[in-house]
Amino acid sequence: QKEVEQNSGPLSVPEGAIASLNCTYSDRVSQSFFWYRQYSGKSPELIMSIYSNGDKEDGRFTAQLNKASQYVSLLIRDSQPSDSATYLCAVIRGSNYKLTFGKGTLLTVNP
Amino acid sequence: NAGVTQTPKFRILKIGQSMTLQCTQDMNHNYMYWYRQDPGMGLKLIYYSVGAGITDKGEVPNGYNVSRSTTEDFPLRLELAAPSQTSVYFCASSSHARDNEQFFGPGTRLTVL
Repeated sequence: QKEVEQNSGPLSVPEGAIASLNCTYSDRVSQSFFWYRQYSGKSPELIMSIYSNGDKEDGRFTAQLNKASQYVSLLIRDSQPSDSATYLCAVIRGSNYKLTFGKGTLLTVNP
Repeated sequence: NAGVTQTPKFRILKIGQSMTLQCTQDMNHNYMYWYRQDPGMGLKLIYYSVGAGITDKGEVPNGYNVSRSTTEDFPLRLELAAPSQTSVYFCASSSHARDNEQFFGPGTRLTVL
């Protein structure tokens, strides 16, 4: 089983809809979870981090973490065409400093 | 405050050539990282450093070397370039281990022919 798994997509949603991106991880001692957005040809940029079970909201973005199910998700409300990008899930296991990335989910928001 | 800068932006190498990818950060971050990203794939960690003088291997270190003589700089050296090293290389830095909100440079697109 891969350490961090994401549906590669593409995920296509209409403008104004909710986009739901999912990520599962294999290591139960994982402690820190991140969502990065990467536009085509650009570098990743952090959009959300979450460390404890539950929801964390920041503007139109909500990260959800369920450690018992080893599952982290990102919801984007009122999706805009400018949200079209690849979303990378990343996880830190235990006390090491290393991020493990999923392959990313390509999101397309159609006007 | 430029953040993380990388040079060059693009480079074409012939098989067997060597080169150094430069990375500099001006945020006084202790932690620095080198990743490679192949098409349709996530990022793979090549090497990382937790401070000046301290480096360690990541997931895919073969064919690469690093050094960290200062807090600001973390160059990546490719010896004897191979076509398998064709990729986009990203340097990143962070101030904390656990929180580890990494800031990425713009990347270097390398082609080995």
